[in-house]
Amino acid sequence: HSVLTQPPSVSGAPGQKVTISCTGSNTNIGAGYDVHWYQQVPGTAPILLIHDNNNRPSGVPDRFSGSKSGTSASLAITGLQAEDEADYYCQSYDSSQSGDWVFGGGTRLTVL
Amino acid sequence: QVQLQESGPGLVKPSQTLSLTCSVSGGSISSGSYYWSWIRQPAGKGLELIGRIFYSGSTKYNPSLKSRVTISVDTSKNQFSLKLSSVTAADTAVYYCARVDVSFWYFDLWGRGTMVTVSS
Repeated sequence: HSVLTQPPSVSGAPGQKVTISCTGSNTNIGAGYDVHWYQQVPGTAPILLIHDNNNRPSGVPDRFSGSKSGTSASLAITGLQAEDEADYYCQSYDSSQSGDWVFGGGTRLTVL
Repeated sequence: QVQLQESGPGLVKPSQTLSLTCSVSGGSISSGSYYWSWIRQPAGKGLELIGRIFYSGSTKYNPSLKSRVTISVDTSKNQFSLKLSSVTAADTAVYYCARVDVSFWYFDLWGRGTMVTVSS
């Protein structure tokens, strides 16, 4: 059971837009802690996709964008490409219990 | 550029101790700008933070694993290590080492991961 809740799966056709939600609470996202997103192609290590809610590291296409509002955050991918098929994880900080970084359960994106 | 590389046995017997090392190349583990972390991922499942260490030796562990985990750092070798005791099949996973900026709290660099199987 993850502190941050993501849908298990989403799908879209090439060229379409998909969004992946990350729902938290007032001890993490709602408390103002930043949200970060990772992409993990099966069989490989995760890579940082979005940091600090809506910032792309160098080399990440601008088709990827992030947003945050209240106790939730979202990752949007426009102009879907076959290479975007992967697992996506959100991550933030949670101040409950001993306080630490937490991950969402992950969302599998299927490009139809 | 900085790279992380995990190493260690791929097979560990139940009840024994899992030991892994993460070697940092292209940069200093003692820079003071990063935490150095261990994360694991069972097959088909999500990411679980195991714990982290600062170059000074200060650590923080996942409460669910705290009684079995030790993370240490060897600045002379530019490495940090993970020990997980009393392992069971539930500890079978891919183990990643990763770097976290002390100011921004995101994992900006990951190792390729190493598969560890717990089996007799």
